Amino acid sequence: QQPVQSPQAVILREGEDAVINCSSSKALYSVHWYRQKHGEAPVFLMILLKGGEQKGHEKISASFNEKKQQSSLYLTASQLSYSGTYFCGTGLYNQGGKLIFGQGTELSVKP
Amino acid sequence: EAGVAQSPRYKIIEKRQSVAFWCNPISGHATLYWYQQILGQGPKLLIQFQNNGVVDDSQLPKDRFSAERLKGVDSTLKIQPAKLEDSAVYLCASTRGGEAFFGQGTRLTVV
Repeated sequence: QQPVQSPQAVILREGEDAVINCSSSKALYSVHWYRQKHGEAPVFLMILLKGGEQKGHEKISASFNEKKQQSSLYLTASQLSYSGTYFCGTGLYNQGGKLIFGQGTELSVKP
Repeated sequence: EAGVAQSPRYKIIEKRQSVAFWCNPISGHATLYWYQQILGQGPKLLIQFQNNGVVDDSQLPKDRFSAERLKGVDSTLKIQPAKLEDSAVYLCASTRGGEAFFGQGTRLTVV
């Protein structure tokens, strides 16, 4: 049931863009995105609840393709502060809000 | 708004010993989760509470792990006896409107 994230790791220069994908083998009710910095707790970025929904948070946005059972996180004009591990968490129908996380994508932004 | 509180922050024990972790969620949050995060992996759901009832504990190794949520507020997670492979960060989260707020976690090292 664990969603699969790709890529596993990415290295960027400041100002470059990146896309992180999250795919599930099951129909998704919701997709949640979190960022975790080393030694810290995961921090909520956004939640997508409807198929085709896109949300934005400054220069970080995400889309949810319900049909393909996948979501993508877009980071544009990356900043040093974007470095960390990004996790998608998926909620399934009739699962009482259970949230299953992917294995994570490690993003490093270099000056 | 105070965040999710967890204690202790760090714990080192020998294998076969017992250990307990405590979590105080954000006031008013009915849903509480315990996750296990092994280094380099995504958080793995152990148990989910709704108020003081268990919603999902399918991933909890019940021969050694137990959890309770007293009066629908604080929660404790216990491991008895601990094994080397239990070394991980144990994260507690409470949710509101689909957004999960994580505590700082307890880093457990079993030697």
